[in-house]
Amino acid sequence: DGGITQSPKYLFRKEGQNVTLSCEQNLNHDAMYWYRQDPGQGLRLIYYSQIVNDFQKGDIAEGYSVSREKKESFPLTVTSAQKNPTAFYLCASSVKQGLAGGMGGELFFGEGSRLTVL
Amino acid sequence: KNQVEQSPQSLIILEGKNCTLQCNYTVSPFSNLRWYKQDTGRGPVSLTIMTFSENTKSNGRYTATLDADTKQSSLHITASQLSDSASYICVVSGTGFQKLVFGTGTRLLVSP
Repeated sequence: DGGITQSPKYLFRKEGQNVTLSCEQNLNHDAMYWYRQDPGQGLRLIYYSQIVNDFQKGDIAEGYSVSREKKESFPLTVTSAQKNPTAFYLCASSVKQGLAGGMGGELFFGEGSRLTVL
Repeated sequence: KNQVEQSPQSLIILEGKNCTLQCNYTVSPFSNLRWYKQDTGRGPVSLTIMTFSENTKSNGRYTATLDADTKQSSLHITASQLSDSASYICVVSGTGFQKLVFGTGTRLLVSP
C-alpha cells in the first residue's frame, strides 16, 4: 500500500548528540515536509523540499538539517544545536507544492516520531 | 498576521450525540481550508478540503462548512462514536506558495 513511513517511532537522545529521523514515501510525490508538533501549538514547518537535491528552510529550521538525495526519502537530522528538541515530529508529502493553492493540495502524513532528550 | 483559531480547546460529549467545532482564520488571500483528524500519538489524516466556492462538504458523519466572507468554518460530527475521540485540526492555505497555517486543534473526547 502507498504511504509514508517514519522511523523510529520513539527515539531518545542524550544532550550533545545528533539524531536522524527517517521518512520514506512511495506515493511518487514531489514535495516533502517536516513539521514539529508541541503541546498546545499548531504544527510548525521545519524544512520542505519540492524536488530532489533541493530544499528550503521553514519557520523553525535552526538546529535541524535535511537532505533530499532521492525522491522517496527526506531524512531529518536533529543536531546538538537544537536546544529544545523534545517534540513529536511529523513528515508529510504532497503531489507538488504550489498546485491547488498553497502547499500543493492534500498533505499525507506519516505516523510521527517522538523524540525525547534525556 | 496569518492566524487560525479553533474553539473550543477541548470538548467532552456522550456517545451518539452531535457536536460542532469552530475555526476562524485571518489568512489572506485565501485558497483552501482543510480539516484533519489526529488520533493520539499518530499522524493527522485528512477529512475534507474546501475551496473558496464550496460552502459545505461531507465525509461520512463529518460535515464541514465554510463562510469565506466571515472567514469561519465549522466541522459538525453526527452521531458520535468512541472512535471519534481525537484532535481535530483546522488548516488554512493561502494562494501561491504561501505556507499552510495550522490551528492548535480541538481535543474531542467521546464518552460511553
